[in-house]
Amino acid sequence: GAGVSQTPSNKVTEKGKYVELRCDPISGHTALYWYRQSLGQGPEFLIYFQGTGAADDSGLPNDRFFAVRPEGSVSTLKIQRTERGDSAVYLCASSPRSSGANVLTFGAGSRLTVL
Amino acid sequence: GQQLNQSPQSMFIQEGEDVSMNCTSSSIFNTWLWYKQDPGEGPVLLIALYKAGELTSNGRLTAQFGITRKDSFLNISASIPSDVGIYFCAGHLTGGGNKLTFGTGTQLKVEL
Repeated sequence: GAGVSQTPSNKVTEKGKYVELRCDPISGHTALYWYRQSLGQGPEFLIYFQGTGAADDSGLPNDRFFAVRPEGSVSTLKIQRTERGDSAVYLCASSPRSSGANVLTFGAGSRLTVL
Repeated sequence: GQQLNQSPQSMFIQEGEDVSMNCTSSSIFNTWLWYKQDPGEGPVLLIALYKAGELTSNGRLTAQFGITRKDSFLNISASIPSDVGIYFCAGHLTGGGNKLTFGTGTQLKVEL
């Protein structure tokens, strides 16, 4: 597509529930990133995919967070047993190159609220 | 956690004024990027810097990659109302792979 598409744009859930957030990157972009942005803060890195594999998942806060990109295009961020502290905007970005100083194009984000 | 200190945290200026904001780090960065974020949107790239000492312009925006590779600044000349938003510096840490580290943001408000 023309830009990075993220769905849903807003998600309200209850503590303890399971959540999936979807990212559709720019067509042909091989690199895909997930970031989390808390209120009043800059985005914080979660995970980076090169193709289908997670090249760097050092930013995932704990094992409740998991992400997949099975066909090297669309990615899903999965959060199990959600907690109130998971409330944030989850941003996805993609880049056309797999190495070097990549320029990321971001989506509008999925705002997650855990009650 | 984040490793970039961005200042000022917020600015309230008059239309037509010039704006300056900066970003510092205790670590060396290979690249510096400046993004702008509007409410409900993702960050949009303004300027990318790849070499120490590099000075780059994009319209009314000018940014520089500090010689020490630990800082960068962004200037906006003759501000207009649509400059309102949050500006983030970001960079690739030496040895940090492909992930971007972001600053805490500078919120710019422009008074007509």
